[in-house]
Formats: sequence, structure tokens, C-alpha cells
Amino acid sequence: TQLLEQSPQFLSIQEGENLTVYCNSSSVFSSLQWYRQEPGEGPVLLVTVVTGGEVKKLKRLTFQFGDARKDSSLHITAAQPGDTGLYLCAGEGTDSSYKLIFGSGTRLLVRP
Amino acid sequence: DAGVTQSPTHLIKTRGQQVTLRCSPKSGHDTVSWYQQALGQGPQFIFQYYEEEERQRGNFPDRFSGHQFPNYSSELNVNALLLGDSALYLCASSLGNSGNTIYFGEGSWLTVV
Repeated sequence: TQLLEQSPQFLSIQEGENLTVYCNSSSVFSSLQWYRQEPGEGPVLLVTVVTGGEVKKLKRLTFQFGDARKDSSLHITAAQPGDTGLYLCAGEGTDSSYKLIFGSGTRLLVRP
Repeated sequence: DAGVTQSPTHLIKTRGQQVTLRCSPKSGHDTVSWYQQALGQGPQFIFQYYEEEERQRGNFPDRFSGHQFPNYSSELNVNALLLGDSALYLCASSLGNSGNTIYFGEGSWLTVV
């Protein structure tokens, strides 16, 4: 069974600080996606990483896929209150599975 | 262009009852997946429908069943509701096989009392 572990579970930081969220597994994934979910809404896709070692940037967000495609990280520079939300990583298995395997999420609060 | 729409948005049911949740996929999408998200957890895959057939199923009991209609819309049915079935039920749509972007609806909040 493929599992994804996210850390930390909760993060409360001051506006302007930097942070990193981690997503780890003992299994290889063909791709890994990062979502952001706000209360009362469904997850919204931020980025998909496919190649081992890949780095993608989305404004102040930097996403990295591990060389072995077993882990990923999300780094936010100069966090803003608008970044507050639940960040979820999700992996697509290598077994031609159609399902996404989600981590349990990191709840981020950015205080003004 | 409407995204994924789900109904109802909130509902309360009693233990032992049955519930039906509905989903209309994003325009042009032919694949619908259902996920259960308990409070404080990430979504868990229930099943996926493609061409009106259940293509893959997660670790959920037979009390959870579904259907996909010719217009690609889908229903999720849960029988003999348990308190533990209380969760946000998310519908996600995509086009064809894996690798294409998945879009989620806002979900249906189910509370079982």
C-alpha cells in the first residue's frame, strides 16, 4: 500500500516568514501533485511534478520532486495571510492506478 | 464554463439511513472519481467511473456504490449509514486516462447523527 506522510501537520507563522512543507513516502510515484484547500471548498491544483529532481516555481511557491520520486517539498517565501489554507500532496501510483493517494495535509496559518 | 458541481452541499442523515450524492463533471470530462475526506484528513479514494463502468475501487465497503450516466454525471450512494460516514464527499472529474488534470468540486458535507 502506497502512503504519503506530510509534515508538519500544523504551522502558524508570521507574515513575511519562509516555510517548507514536506511530503514523504517509501514508494515511488509516477507524479506528485500539490493542492491547496480552503474551508468549505474542494482542493485546487497548484502544480504537478513528474520528473525526479524537478523544480517548479509558482510566484513565491517552489515545488521540488525528489530524485527517486519518493518525496516532495513545498517552500513558500515571504508568506502572506492569503497563503493560509490546507496544503495537500497527492501521488499518482506507478501501477497504472487511476486513483490519487493523498497525504493528511498541512494546515498553514499566516498571521498578519 | 461550469466546473465540477455537486449537490447537495450539506445534509444531515440518521444512522441506518441511505444517502445519494450527485456530481456533474466539468464540461468535456468523461471520468468521475469520488473521494471521502474526514475532518482533519486528506481525501481517500472511493471509486472511479469511466464509460459508465466502475473502473477502480478503493478500500470502502459495499455499502458505498455509484453510478455514471450517459451524460457523464455520477451519483454516490451510501447505505446503512454509520456515524463514521460523516465527512466531506468530493467529486473529481478529468478527461480520459491518468495524467490529465483533475478538477474537484466543492464537496457535499454529510453529517450522520
